[in-house]
Amino acid sequence: EVHLVESGGGSVQPGGSLRLSCGASGFIFSRYDMHWVRQVKGKGLEWVSGIGTAGDTHYSASVKGRSTISRENARTSLYLQMSSLRVGDTAVYYCVRGAREGPSSWIEAAQYGMDVWGQGTTVTISS
Amino acid sequence: QSALTQPASVSESPGQSITISCTGTSSDVGSYNLVSWYQQYPGKAPKLIIHEVNKRPSGASSRFSGSKSGNTASLTISGLQAEDEADYYCCSYAGFITPYVFGTGTRVTVL
Repeated sequence: EVHLVESGGGSVQPGGSLRLSCGASGFIFSRYDMHWVRQVKGKGLEWVSGIGTAGDTHYSASVKGRSTISRENARTSLYLQMSSLRVGDTAVYYCVRGAREGPSSWIEAAQYGMDVWGQGTTVTISS
Repeated sequence: QSALTQPASVSESPGQSITISCTGTSSDVGSYNLVSWYQQYPGKAPKLIIHEVNKRPSGASSRFSGSKSGNTASLTISGLQAEDEADYYCCSYAGFITPYVFGTGTRVTVL
């Protein structure tokens, strides 16, 4: 069965750093684009960052320059290193799999959506 | 990149049909037939129900259908059932710099 399990969330003061991790199982991790999507409690979804099978990365304007997405295929793991954290970064962070298997451009991958979601890890930024 | 605009809530009786709109711009929804829809129950992770405007992934109910016209995409739920009561989000490809933008979300209530 396909699973994504996030970890690394917690409570941090503004200006601090966190590293989120996501462990994947049940599929060939290296063959899929992976994403982080966040959701403020009671609010909507926000795409945060994505990494392709070739390691190419993209970020939302809200985290660009403060976050780094990476993957370790040998460990079937996805990461999000976040720094200079703000109160506005408080949210549940979901690890998400792009639905298209195999190398593709981002526009080709977008045809298929995001088909596997973890249960999320909570990040709280507060003084 | 601004969030796509969805109605905050839609309500209808069981057995009826509803349509949820998702309005973007010529930079996202209007430029690409790359809109997906997600269903989310309270406290749960979202689930993909439509991709590429009108394609259903394996396991998604045939009562879900999608369409697009200009800068607006739509999700229709036919034969509304109690289990359809959830939040629904659209998502569009938005270009190379920031590839994805989600909608503001719609709460569907089955009366």
